[in-house]
Amino acid sequence: DIQMTQSPPSLSASLGDKVTITCQASQNTKNYIAWYQQKPGKAPRLLIRFTSTLESGTPSRFSGSGSGRDYSFSISNVESEDIASYYCLQYVDLPRTFGGGTKLELK
Amino acid sequence: QVQLKESGPGLVQPSQTLSLTCTVSGFSLSSYGVIWVRQPPGKGLEWMGVLWGDGNTNYNSLFKSRMSITRDTSRSQVFLKMNNLQTEDTAMYFCARELWVYDYWGQGVMVTVSA
Repeated sequence: DIQMTQSPPSLSASLGDKVTITCQASQNTKNYIAWYQQKPGKAPRLLIRFTSTLESGTPSRFSGSGSGRDYSFSISNVESEDIASYYCLQYVDLPRTFGGGTKLELK
Repeated sequence: QVQLKESGPGLVQPSQTLSLTCTVSGFSLSSYGVIWVRQPPGKGLEWMGVLWGDGNTNYNSLFKSRMSITRDTSRSQVFLKMNNLQTEDTAMYFCARELWVYDYWGQGVMVTVSA
């Protein structure tokens, strides 16, 4: 199974900050990485697929990059509605595996 | 529009079998896969398995020996069965539509395993 190591587990930011979350895979995932946002009591919401392709409705302040085993997700100008947990997902191989998650909080 | 909705018992006794239903609308189960993901309270997302549009399945080896995913395409329903539940199986269970990534999700159903 591909292990996804996501960091940091938690992040404290002020409104307007830029934050970055990383995911490292145990093997090359060939850019088959997606990023999800989850708010308490809600289902995850797909933000980005294939490393950097924004879903319809995803604000442009969100971005993704990476290749091989190393991927990152950034929010360029944190807004209050971005306070949530974020997860990476590899979908190159079965079983699919999620990163452990990053909880974004307001400083 | 695409919708998924999970249903099932909120409380299951230890060693008993969990049966959940995911009722979908707005797409055909013959064209899309459906996955099950669970999330223990305060923890991360755990991929459990997938029922592909062609009817084949794949499971996480963590659960493979005690779970199955089946469907009734005529009723647009996907079923998750998992036996021998333990307290560590207490979690929110989600179903989602699969087309490489998971773009539509149900609201989830909370399952508590307790005597």
